[in-house]
Amino acid sequence: DGGITQSPKYLFRKEGQNVTLSCEQNLNHDAMYWYRQDPGQGLRLIYYSQIVNDFQKGDIAEGYSVSREKKESFPLTVTSAQKNPTAFYLCASSVSTDTQYFGPGTRLTVL
Amino acid sequence: AQSVSQHNHHVILSEAASLELGCNYSYGGTVNLFWYVQYPGQHLQLLLKYFSGDPLVKGIKGFEAEFIKSKFSFNLRKPSVQWSDTAEYFCAVTRSSNTGKLIFGQGTTLQVKP
Repeated sequence: DGGITQSPKYLFRKEGQNVTLSCEQNLNHDAMYWYRQDPGQGLRLIYYSQIVNDFQKGDIAEGYSVSREKKESFPLTVTSAQKNPTAFYLCASSVSTDTQYFGPGTRLTVL
Repeated sequence: AQSVSQHNHHVILSEAASLELGCNYSYGGTVNLFWYVQYPGQHLQLLLKYFSGDPLVKGIKGFEAEFIKSKFSFNLRKPSVQWSDTAEYFCAVTRSSNTGKLIFGQGTTLQVKP
């Protein structure tokens, strides 16, 4: 069963903590992306990776970090430097620059 | 900076009414255009896309969109909506030559009354 999985579905974080969101895909896609979704703002790109061991900042990378050690995995760390981390986080993947396919998302809430 | 505007933020329709959601983008070069839909509690999924060729594209569930290059628009249409079309709809654009970075509009929430 191919697709993109994200875990956990819900995540609660205390202020000052770093948390890591998981994204795995078995579609053999080269490119992976992280977006943040806030009400009324659509989706905004945080980081993207076109190939293993390489990634670039998106439009709102401050306070986030990523790694791409394996083709199928692209974890996102929300650091304590992110001032407003409460949001819905979506991971996507694609073959090169073609259509992006999205995971189910992780809803992060800061307590 | 490239941007995407969806002019309708919240649309309420009765079943069988016709739908048109507006989408305009600001980039002047060659673009790829997408409409995604997010049903309540479900993944964001692709409705339709335009890369080249016939500017009238058909997608899933009876949706279609027309690319009008001179107007920088890619409006989504459906002749007769159903209650099950209640969802949030996103227009997105990427430059054909770049890394696949999608620029999303703000989204339109469609509520269809039975």
